[in-house]
Amino acid sequence: DIQMTQSPSSLSASVGDRVTITCRASQGINNYLAWYQQKPGNVPKLLIYAASTLQSGVPSRFSGSGSGTDFTLTISSLQPEDVATYYCHKYHDAPQTFGQGTKVEIK
Amino acid sequence: EVQLVESGGGLVQPGGSLRLSCAASGFTFNNYAMSWVRQAPGKGLEWVSLIRFTGVDTYYANSVKGRFTISRDNSKDTLYLQMNSLRAEDTAVYYCAKTHTSDWLYDYWGQGTLVTVSS
Repeated sequence: DIQMTQSPSSLSASVGDRVTITCRASQGINNYLAWYQQKPGNVPKLLIYAASTLQSGVPSRFSGSGSGTDFTLTISSLQPEDVATYYCHKYHDAPQTFGQGTKVEIK
Repeated sequence: EVQLVESGGGLVQPGGSLRLSCAASGFTFNNYAMSWVRQAPGKGLEWVSLIRFTGVDTYYANSVKGRFTISRDNSKDTLYLQMNSLRAEDTAVYYCAKTHTSDWLYDYWGQGTLVTVSS
């Protein structure tokens, strides 16, 4: 099975900072990579799919990049409402895999 | 408006069984593959199982293969997860999730139902 490794596991940044989260697949997955945001007490919310396509309604400060094995989620200017745990997700075929999550906090 | 409402969770002893349901509305249920994803308390997301829109093809995580069975009733717009031989490590919130139009990723999630396996 393909494993997805996220880093860092947590980070603390100031409002307005640029934040980058990485996700590495144990083997190539083309661009079949999604990112979700899960705020405390809430269900996951789809942010990005196909590695770089922004889901409708998601603020443009979120962006994704990568292909093959290495992927990145970037928040261009961190906002207080972005406090959450972020998960990458390898999809398209089974078994599917989520990364272990990156908890983002405000400094 | 898309709605996914899970039910059937609760407390069960190790080795026991439970059947989860997910009632779907607001979209054409029989056009989409559906999944179950779980989250143990304080932990990350774990994909459990997926069923194609026809209900013929099913897929499972290795951790539940042979113990869990996913199914659907397209006439009732309902997704199911039959869970047998439950273990303590199956304790989690179980989410029903609808696949996106473009692929097997998830654009809508239910609120989840808690399954606790404990004696």
